[in-house]
Amino acid sequence: EADIYQTPRYLVIGTGKKITLECSQTMGHDKMYWYQQDPGMELHLIHYSYGVNSTEKGDLSSESTVSRIRTEHFPLTLESARPSHTSQYLCAVAGGSNEKLFFGSGTQLSVL
Amino acid sequence: AQSVAQPEDQVNVAEGNPLTVKCTYSVSGNPYLFWYVQYPNRGLQFLLKYITGDNLVKGSYGFEAEFNKSQTSFHLKKPSALVSDSALYFCAVRFMTTDSWGKFQFGAGTQVVVTP
Repeated sequence: EADIYQTPRYLVIGTGKKITLECSQTMGHDKMYWYQQDPGMELHLIHYSYGVNSTEKGDLSSESTVSRIRTEHFPLTLESARPSHTSQYLCAVAGGSNEKLFFGSGTQLSVL
Repeated sequence: AQSVAQPEDQVNVAEGNPLTVKCTYSVSGNPYLFWYVQYPNRGLQFLLKYITGDNLVKGSYGFEAEFNKSQTSFHLKKPSALVSDSALYFCAVRFMTTDSWGKFQFGAGTQVVVTP
């Protein structure tokens, strides 16, 4: 099992602020993902990474960036937060040839 | 285009009755298929997966899913539903094509409501 840590758990910020959502994992898996999910709704892939220095854009990536400098760390940055960014952000990890996704507890972001 | 679809927004079933949650897919090559469940205010949890082998896959909490290649479906089933099975269920496919290797796509989700 992959242990996945997302911080903060909840975040309330004002419009225009720059924020970074943290995600870290302790099992050394290569593949990491960021999803956005509104309550009770579908998951949208924002970014994903296959390993160090590898990042790919998903379906909703235009307003955020990620980095993968270390295997265990995959932070997501919003350069200028807007109310439309209010949502839950889920980090996930996958490893092995037939891997399944393991999800973190998520960060609930509210932009005022 | 590769995709996964869950045609039902919500499924209502009485406790003790069979539960089926539908999922269809469209992918290139052999699909890797998954089911996840999300309970209220909790993260997504893995239920089961199909990679290869038997078309009937057994997973957690008494759930199973049947892979049907001709119908491109991967329906989730439980013979006797419990009230505690009420949750949001997601079908997912892992892409295996060169340009999307390792990318997971989720269906829109199906809300399951089990009444006593």
